[in-house]
Order: sequence, then structure tokens, then C-alpha cells
Amino acid sequence: LAKTTQPISMDSYEGQEVNITCSHNNIATNDYITWYQQFPSQGPRFIIQGYKTKVTNEVASLFIPADRKSSTLSLPRVSLSDTAVYYCLVGLRGTGFQKLVFGTGTRLLVSP
Amino acid sequence: NAGVTQTPKFQVLKTGQSMTLQCAQDMNHNSMYWYRQDPGMGLRLIYYSASEGTTDKGEVPNGYNVSRLNKREFSLRLESAAPSQTSVYFCASSERAGGADGYTFGSGTRLTVV
Repeated sequence: LAKTTQPISMDSYEGQEVNITCSHNNIATNDYITWYQQFPSQGPRFIIQGYKTKVTNEVASLFIPADRKSSTLSLPRVSLSDTAVYYCLVGLRGTGFQKLVFGTGTRLLVSP
Repeated sequence: NAGVTQTPKFQVLKTGQSMTLQCAQDMNHNSMYWYRQDPGMGLRLIYYSASEGTTDKGEVPNGYNVSRLNKREFSLRLESAAPSQTSVYFCASSERAGGADGYTFGSGTRLTVV
């Protein structure tokens, strides 16, 4: 399993763009990168997934450089409701089975 | 549009008591999982079921048993609860084995063992 490293916590203010970087130096060729968001007292929620370059959806963007050894989750113009823990996971998609491991994540605090 | 439903939401047990946590999904997913989350920690996989009729151990299976009752339901049983099992338990499901294409999680069961 590819190990991931994220900052423990980040602080931001409403309206700012937040970038959370995840390091995964031993990512395998077939691994995808997936990000989850978890609010207090709730289960994690799938945000975005990508393999290379850039992926964008209505919630966030995911930037993956050519070497794929890191990835950056970008949240545009955050609001108070984006205060949550964000997890970066790396694993296979589709074929085979892999027990995805959730690390401790990045605790994002958005202030007024 | 229920997704993954867990019952109960809260439970207090005495040491040595047994109980079963229930989980059901209505998305026709093949794979289901049980995780625990301790305060300030990430999620740790207890057991998983890659497909109906199969179950396997995760990182922290000791003290637990599971049953994949059918494609929809996956239960977690504590035979003799211990204070170390105080935690929040999350059930999840995914369409494909491995969950790399996205898990759907339930809202959790908060268990306290005294």
C-alpha cells in the first residue's frame, strides 16, 4: 500500500483558496488518488479522484504532477462549512482488491 | 435515497456484554466494510466483505466477528465487549472491491463500553 503524508492541520479564512498537499512517494503505476472529507460526527464523504494532471468537479480540483509522487486538493473560496478533516488515499481502482488505509488526515479550520 | 444505514446510532455496553451493529446499503454495492475511529485518529479497517458470501480480516479484527447476511446487509458483532472497543464504528460500501472508486459511508455508531 502506498503510504501518504499530509499536514496535520491547516487554518484559513472564509473566501480564501485552500490547497492541501499529500505526498505519496511510492505510488504504484495503477494507483489512483482519492480524497475524502469528514465532518464531526459523520462518516467520510468522497470528494474527488484522479490519476494524473488535473481533475475538477463542483466541489474541488485535484492537481497531480507528472511524477505522481504528490497531489494537491484545491478548495476554491472556502466557507465555514468547509471546516472538516480531509483524507488522501492511494490505491487501485477497479481490478483486484486493496484495503485502503485512512491516515489521520488534515484538519482544516476555516474562520470568519 | 438512504445510502448506507447503520443502527443503532448510540450504544452503551457494560464490559462483557455482547451486541451486534447492523449495516444495510441500498445501492446494490458488492463490497462492504467496517471501520472504527478513535478520537483524533484516522479510520482503521476491522473486517471487510469483498462480495456476497465472503468476509476477511482487516487491520484490527480481534474481538469482532462479522456476517454478510446478503448483498445488502453486513453486521458486526462484539462477543464480549471491552473498554478498548469504545469507539465510533462506520460501515461503508463500494461498487467495486477495494473501494478505490469511492466508498459510501454510514453516519456511524457511537459505542461506549463501561
